[in-house]
Amino acid sequence: NAGVTQTPKFRVLKTGQSMTLLCAQDMNHEYMYWYRQDPGMGLRLIHYSVGEGTTAKGEVPDGYNVSRLKKQNFLLGLESAAPSQTSVYFCATSRGAGEQFFGPGTRLTVL
Amino acid sequence: GENVEQHPSTLSVQEGDSAVIKCTYSDSASNYFPWYKQELGKRPQLIIDIRSNVGEKKDQRIAVTLNKTAKHFSLHITETQPEDSAVYFCGGDSGGSNYKLTFGKGTLLTVNP
Repeated sequence: NAGVTQTPKFRVLKTGQSMTLLCAQDMNHEYMYWYRQDPGMGLRLIHYSVGEGTTAKGEVPDGYNVSRLKKQNFLLGLESAAPSQTSVYFCATSRGAGEQFFGPGTRLTVL
Repeated sequence: GENVEQHPSTLSVQEGDSAVIKCTYSDSASNYFPWYKQELGKRPQLIIDIRSNVGEKKDQRIAVTLNKTAKHFSLHITETQPEDSAVYFCGGDSGGSNYKLTFGKGTLLTVNP
């Protein structure tokens, strides 16, 4: 079992470019989350999903969109990247209340 | 929503000493409090968690205590080893939506040999 995987691992964008980060899980978990991690700021929730076809805003949703068309995939989109979106992005999954399982992370730099 | 404060932001101890990291939370309806360890360049991984119906939980050298009245919980690591060096995050759920976690800003623990 791969668990939780993220694609890509690294990416460099120019300001204004767009991209999509993919999170895939084979754990059959209903809940999926996107976090960003910045130095000294901990893990902040961007968007989350409680099931296929549903999404909701987290703590820092501005500038991001998400989709959950399939249960096993959760996509995070940046329509027009800004330097403030330079960060490490983590996807996580859970069955519900309880342990969240994190992916390996995507390091994004916006120039 | 939930607000989780974590202290200290950095902690340096000698190998064999104990380390304590403290967190406070704001939402009195919160029920679930996990602790994650993140080694440099790696993903966060759960090391221990506690639910509101329990005051203390131990797993070998690590323990977590919870004081619901005061709305704080702590991570205790005894007999620290160099491999305990990492960033530790505490978390708290939003009581009404207990699948959603709010994390503290993290504590960088350094264990000196």
